[in-house]
Order: sequence, then structure tokens, then C-alpha cells
Amino acid sequence: DAGVIQSPRHEVTEMGQEVTLRCKPISGHDYLFWYRQTMMRGLELLIYFNNNVPIDDSGMPEDRFSAKMPNASFSTLKIQPSEPRDSAVYFCASRETGFPGYTFGSGTRLTVV
Amino acid sequence: GQNIDQPTEMTATEGAIVQINCTYQTSGFNGLFWYQQHAGEAPTFLSYNVLDGLEEKGRFSSFLSRSKGYSYLLLKELQMKDSASYLCAVRDETSGTYKYIFGTGTRLKVLA
Repeated sequence: DAGVIQSPRHEVTEMGQEVTLRCKPISGHDYLFWYRQTMMRGLELLIYFNNNVPIDDSGMPEDRFSAKMPNASFSTLKIQPSEPRDSAVYFCASRETGFPGYTFGSGTRLTVV
Repeated sequence: GQNIDQPTEMTATEGAIVQINCTYQTSGFNGLFWYQQHAGEAPTFLSYNVLDGLEEKGRFSSFLSRSKGYSYLLLKELQMKDSASYLCAVRDETSGTYKYIFGTGTRLKVLA
């Protein structure tokens, strides 16, 4: 199994630009999570899906952030417009019902200048 | 509210034993997790406790006391490769949905 696959690994963009982060969960996993990690705030849950349906998006910072999961094998997190304070590592994780732990992807390091 | 506290940094010697503590406050506790994260890498799942007591897995053990809102991760026979951040996380169930809340992590340095 290839694990959770995220792209791109690194993204540098200018303030005001749209950024799209992508995630492919492990096949058969029915939960998908988007997290953001910074030194100051640690890992913060942004949103999670169960069977492609968004269950809790209360962690999404503001309307500039949106996430979709059009099918069981793909999800996107979009930031429009991006701001310097969005700079962080964004992790996608997935898990299957009945198993408590997640498998994290390698993350996308986003820098907004 | 929800809150997780763990020490920011710890240092230990190769071959020794180290205990990393975690205290939490949550209204709908539904399990406690420990993850290991090496610098620049993704967190990896170490252990899960939902009932009180000790769970042992090789050199790593995790303990939970729900009444005290307390957990620890015990690492035995420390190796240099154990230098990493250790994240305590709590699963909270409120109104039928689960939230996974992570602490900011404990950076462990293992010295030769």
C-alpha cells in the first residue's frame, strides 16, 4: 500500500493567490482528516469526512478555506485568497472504521509570501 | 472546554527509561492516543488507550487514568532514533461527532 499521498510536498505562493492541496487516502479507509501544523499551535483539525461527507468543519479558520471530497479516493483543501498567516504544514490523514489510529500523509509545506 | 498539556522538551540518555506525561480536560472523552513525529516527517501512530491501565507494545507502554485525566508514555531502553516529538491526542465525542485534539507535543532528545 502506498499510504496516504499528498501533493504538492512544497508550495510557495504569493499573498492573494489561490492554493489547492490534494490528498489520496488509503484505499478502504472511510475517514479523511485535514490538519494544519505550526510551531505555535501544534496540530489543529480543520475538517473531517466520513464516507465522503463532511462531518465537522468547525476548525476551518474562515471562509477563505474550503474542502471537498468528490469520491472515496480524492480530497482537496483550497485557500482563496491565501495570506502569510496561512503558512504551515498541512497534513491529510485517513483511517478505517474500527481502527483507532490514523495514517498521515507526508504533508504539504505551504509558504505564503 | 478542551485542553491538553504535556511538557515542551525532555532530555534523556541512551539506554535509559523516560516517561512523558499528558494531562487533558475534555467533556466527551472517547480515547487517548500517542503519536511519534520525527522532525520534518508525518506523525505515526504509537498507541491507543480507552480503558484505565497500561498498554504495552515492545519498548513503548502507555498508561491511562480517566478519573485523573492523565496519561503517560513510557519509553524503555532508549535509542538515538527515539529522538522525536511525542504527541498526546484525545478523541472527544460531542453530539455524535468525534473531534481529535492534539497537544503541542514533547520534544525528546536522546543523548549518547
